[in-house]
Amino acid sequence: EPEVTQTPSHQVTQMGQEVILRCVPISNHLYFYWYRQILGQKVEFLVSFYNNEISEKSEIFDDQFSVERPDGSNFTLKIRSTKLEDSAMYFCASSRNEQFFGPGTRLTVL
Amino acid sequence: GIQVEQSPPDLILQEGANSTLRCNFSDSVNNLQWFHQNPWGQLINLFYIPSGTKQNGRLSATTVATERYSLLYISSSQTTDSGVYFCAVWRWGYQKVTFGTGTKLQVIP
Repeated sequence: EPEVTQTPSHQVTQMGQEVILRCVPISNHLYFYWYRQILGQKVEFLVSFYNNEISEKSEIFDDQFSVERPDGSNFTLKIRSTKLEDSAMYFCASSRNEQFFGPGTRLTVL
Repeated sequence: GIQVEQSPPDLILQEGANSTLRCNFSDSVNNLQWFHQNPWGQLINLFYIPSGTKQNGRLSATTVATERYSLLYISSSQTTDSGVYFCAVWRWGYQKVTFGTGTKLQVIP
């Protein structure tokens, strides 16, 4: 069964550094999403992506964040200058109708 | 934006018991999905249910979109059902997804 994959599973970085989180969505899906979940809290929407452009973004998704679909299969989330409060689990999802989530990348900012 | 409230926030069940989890949303939507987040943090699809009723084994779900709520039924609960249950809603044309506050379920032997 096709699945969404994410790499790395865990990323540790220093405050101020740039990180790129990677996702491979399910191949025939049309919509792609990034979410984050701070430990013990609910899942928060960051951004949706359709037809090679951002469809919607939340208030969290400020100028520090960007998304790309560089090669038609990968879908990346870049955080330009990480802050301590960016420490969270980041989930990628893809859909045609229902959403399928990847296993997540745990980002730790020191 | 759309507000999504889930109840109860916490639930402890004896193994074998049944339960009903509720998801209320503040505005009309045409997509609704239920997830189980297991103790390892994975988000597992349970149901994509914008309206109507679906069943999958011991789980079933009902969405009444006109009244802005959805229910998830768990029957004969097992310890592996433990975790957090989330509903998520969104509208086509506005791909901004709102997750509910979650119900944390603990099933004890």
